[in-house]
Amino acid sequence: DAGVTQSPTHLIKTRGQQVTLRCSPKSGHDTVSWYQQALGQGPQFIFQYYEEEERQRGNFPDRFSGHQFPNYSSELNVNALLLGDSALYLCASSLTGFTDTQYFGPGTRLTVL
Amino acid sequence: EDPVTQSPEALRLQEGESSSLNCSYTVSGLRGLFWYRQDPGKGPEFLFTLYSAGEEKEKERLKATLTKKESFLHITAPKPEDSATYLCAVRHGSSNTGKLIFGQGTTLQVKP
Repeated sequence: DAGVTQSPTHLIKTRGQQVTLRCSPKSGHDTVSWYQQALGQGPQFIFQYYEEEERQRGNFPDRFSGHQFPNYSSELNVNALLLGDSALYLCASSLTGFTDTQYFGPGTRLTVL
Repeated sequence: EDPVTQSPEALRLQEGESSSLNCSYTVSGLRGLFWYRQDPGKGPEFLFTLYSAGEEKEKERLKATLTKKESFLHITAPKPEDSATYLCAVRHGSSNTGKLIFGQGTTLQVKP
């Protein structure tokens, strides 16, 4: 049973660039949530996708956008990167309507120079 | 005031020395309290979900309990491999709310 997978593992970008991170949910899950985790902090909720629509959004600017595909996989896009966007980006999947427990992937480490 | 607060921030134990980690929350309408374990540079690993006061769950050396405003993660006779950051998160509000609110974590180090 494949767990949540994310790609790439690491990414280095410069200020002003754009980045796309990808996530495949755990088999059987239909909901994907994205979180940003700064060093030494707990994860912060960015948004959640269900049925290919953004269902809920955290306190992040419009530079952060996402998409969910018919196969439930998801992308996180960040435009006009800032130094402060450097963090571990985590994807979590769950099955809406049941326990809703979120299972996390290994994360993508983004460094903005 | 932060909605979820964990204490202590860091904890050092000798192997076999039992202790507890605390997670306090201020949100109303709790729809689940979650414990995760996170190793450096990796994603959080799910441990437990608790839904109502008085509920308890156990897994190996770990036991999680829940009261109306806090949760405890008890570690019995810890081993060095239990060293990690333990994260607490809550979900609250309407049934369509999927957002988890995390505490800052407790970093546990168990020395042999």
